[in-house]
Amino acid sequence: AQSVTQLGSHVSVSEGALVLLRCNYSSSVPPYLFWYVQYPNQGLQLLLKYTTGATLVKGINGFEAEFKKSETSFHLTKPSAHMSDAAEYFCAASWTSGSRLTFGEGTQLTVNP
Amino acid sequence: ETGVTQTPRHLVMGMTNKKSLKCEQHLGHNAMYWYKQSAKKPLELMFVYNFKEQTENNSVPSRFSPECPNSSHLFLHLHTLQPEDSALYLCASSQELGIGNQPQHFGDGTRLSIL
Repeated sequence: AQSVTQLGSHVSVSEGALVLLRCNYSSSVPPYLFWYVQYPNQGLQLLLKYTTGATLVKGINGFEAEFKKSETSFHLTKPSAHMSDAAEYFCAASWTSGSRLTFGEGTQLTVNP
Repeated sequence: ETGVTQTPRHLVMGMTNKKSLKCEQHLGHNAMYWYKQSAKKPLELMFVYNFKEQTENNSVPSRFSPECPNSSHLFLHLHTLQPEDSALYLCASSQELGIGNQPQHFGDGTRLSIL
């Protein structure tokens, strides 16, 4: 079955440190891929998406993600964490033409001063 | 401002009450979704509508009744809920089904608490 796995339900980094949130999908067919962020008491906000073309995708708030087909991965990174990045991050994939999203279980990012 | 507005933001109700959640999108989309987000559990897709027609019901109990009068509005009618139904209910929209590379846009959710 097609699925999305986020390794690490909690990630903690220091302010100014590299942020790396991992996402892998399981399927022989590459999906469309998305990262969303959820701040407390809010809905999910789109950070970035990969559909076709360049495998390194830049998003909002300084985040970027690289699609690696050979590794079936779409990890999210940010060179320097800011306190305001503390939130929950969701990786999602769409395989069918139906735009139905399959979500990972989420990673809670904590940024320490 | 995501273009998807949900009301109310918070709702407390007893198990015997009847209430409705409302979602409105101003993005010109034709597909709309209801999700349930519970603590410590993955996001659960409940219902999908495309051009006002329901295309997916993921075995949701009948105490949840969706309504989509037009492509801009989506309702979730609630009656005789259980304590385990307490959760954040998220509405989302996308351009339309059949376009997989278009993201879904989410509202801020309704935080539902069942007494």
